[in-house]
Amino acid sequence: GQNIDQPTEMTATEGAIVQINCTYQTSGFNGLFWYQQHAGEAPTFLSYNVLDGLEEKGRFSSFLSRSKGYSYLLLKELQMKDSASYLCAVRVMDTGRRALTFGSGTRLQVQP
Amino acid sequence: SQTIHQWPATLVQPVGSPLSLECTVEGTSNPNLYWYRQAAGRGLQLLFYSVGIGQISSEVPQNLSASRPQDRQFILSSKKLLLSDSGFYLCAWSGGERRAFFGQGTRLTVV
Repeated sequence: GQNIDQPTEMTATEGAIVQINCTYQTSGFNGLFWYQQHAGEAPTFLSYNVLDGLEEKGRFSSFLSRSKGYSYLLLKELQMKDSASYLCAVRVMDTGRRALTFGSGTRLQVQP
Repeated sequence: SQTIHQWPATLVQPVGSPLSLECTVEGTSNPNLYWYRQAAGRGLQLLFYSVGIGQISSEVPQNLSASRPQDRQFILSSKKLLLSDSGFYLCAWSGGERRAFFGQGTRLTVV
């Protein structure tokens, strides 16, 4: 099976930078995803990493190290609307299933 | 473009009553379809997935069942709801892209 760990809660200040870490243990790794989920809403896709390195998309960046089973999501120039849960998800190389396994999510609170 | 529809948005049902949640996808063919459940403040737990019509795989034993009567239709059902079935239910699909696209979710409260 898969095991995914991420911090439960984080707090940061508007305009600052925050890094949300995710560690995973899985066999047949085939990609790591980050989703944003506002309270009561469906998750929305943020980023995807399958190779080692940094993927940048505007204020959001995601990093992956497959050898370490580690990823982080970096949010820059934080805005109040960034207050949400951030879900780390792993996909394994299973031809039939293709489903994502999610961590419990990190609830980020952005303060003025 | 592809869209996913899930309904209803909220549902309050008594214990022992049946359940039927429906999800449909537009703009794609032969998608992989998924039902997830999210307990309050928790991550998403995969309940069922389907790679084709009539093909359903269950991830965890539970009081629920799923069916896929058409290529782009996925239904989550229960004959008798339990209090523990309360939660936020999310339908999702994936295709050639590896990421999953989620419906708006159904907030189910069993009373």
